[in-house]
Amino acid sequence: QVQLVQSGAEVEKPGASMKISCEASGYTFTDYYIHWVRQAPAQGPEWMGWINPKSGDTKFAQQFQGRVTMTRDTSTSRAYIELSALTYDDTAVYYCARSYPRGQRPYWGQGTLVTVSS
Amino acid sequence: QSVLTQPPSVSGAPGQRVTISCTGSSSDIGAGYDVHWYQQLPGTAPKLLIYHDNIRPSGVPDRFSGSKSGTSASLAITGLQAEDEADYYCQSYDGSLRAWVFGGGTKLTVL
Repeated sequence: QVQLVQSGAEVEKPGASMKISCEASGYTFTDYYIHWVRQAPAQGPEWMGWINPKSGDTKFAQQFQGRVTMTRDTSTSRAYIELSALTYDDTAVYYCARSYPRGQRPYWGQGTLVTVSS
Repeated sequence: QSVLTQPPSVSGAPGQRVTISCTGSSSDIGAGYDVHWYQQLPGTAPKLLIYHDNIRPSGVPDRFSGSKSGTSASLAITGLQAEDEADYYCQSYDGSLRAWVFGGGTKLTVL
């Protein structure tokens, strides 16, 4: 079955960077884009961007341009998101999710809590 | 500000039927892109409730149903139960932005 398993919770200081991994299994990793979504406390989900695991192409939401990097390792079926220059507003649960051709269901990782704290 | 518009809150008594609307535009829902609905209980990850506009994943009760028309979609919950009290989010895709888009969420209160 399709599974996306994310790395564990992180605590980072303001100004630092965070990097989260997302390991895919149960399907061919390069066949589906990986999206990243975050949810701050008491807020709705916020789309951050996607990566095409086959080509490495990426697209980011405008508010994260210049601060976010998305990469992948096809040998381990892992996708990564790195966010730099963290502020307290970046405290959130970060999710990876698999894209869905029309008619198919989306799959999400379990989420990774990133806390920005001094 | 969310791309998709949902009412901030809805409420209903046990056993009643409630609906939650999700309004988009011609570049997302109106372009025919799939609408998904998620239920989020406090402190938990969003749970997929409806996908491809109206399909329930296995394990989701048939009290939950989805529909779509034009630039809007709706989630209906019949036979309301206390355990349905949660936040509900709609999600689609914007073909112009090439991005996933979400509603701001609707808090369902079971009276």
